[in-house]
Amino acid sequence: SQQGEEDPQALSIQEGENATMNCSYKTSINNLQWYRQNSGRGLVHLILIRSNEREKHSGRLRVTLDTSKKSSSLLITASRAADTASYFCATGGGAQKLVFGQGTRLTINP
Amino acid sequence: DSGVTQTPKHLITATGQRVTLRCSPRSGDLSVYWYQQSLDQGLQFLIQYYNGEERAKGNILERFSAQQFPDLHSELNLSSLELGDSALYFCASSALAFSGTGGNTIYFGEGSWLTVV
Repeated sequence: SQQGEEDPQALSIQEGENATMNCSYKTSINNLQWYRQNSGRGLVHLILIRSNEREKHSGRLRVTLDTSKKSSSLLITASRAADTASYFCATGGGAQKLVFGQGTRLTINP
Repeated sequence: DSGVTQTPKHLITATGQRVTLRCSPRSGDLSVYWYQQSLDQGLQFLIQYYNGEERAKGNILERFSAQQFPDLHSELNLSSLELGDSALYFCASSALAFSGTGGNTIYFGEGSWLTVV
């Protein structure tokens, strides 16, 4: 069963615009991670945010975490064609069984 | 390149057959994870090994088994294959067994595409 649920399932924007994806989860977590997957390829780790953190930045990525609402968001600023991919949130508990959502398919149109 | 190597990249086999997928973790990583990704089930955690021992078990079928060898490489054995087993199987590795609040980044291989016909 999936723990994280990404929203929207699909997102299509113009190059240069910002893309925001959301993730909701059900149980308490130690940390939440975001991954990117290009079509048919492996998952690439983007960023990890701990349960005691509220916001984290990495380059054009900004992740927020609201543990009271059990939700996280991933913002990609100034999107590029190369950002076209599926984005997954994954929650990790103590046993490090990362549980992934269904992902958001992001398409950046030139 | 994540440093996690999986072979084979593609595999086509018939129902009822048995296959073995192989994974070499990143240098120094002691944990190996197996995930299955299919269109209808998404990414499913199958099993985790840490330094040769099973650490956590997920939605792994009884027809599937895995092991981690002393050199830390891992194999996932899939037997009595069914059409529904067609999927992309990922191996991932990390340095630690547990994440805790500090987190434990997991690195994924490129996957093994299994098609059962």
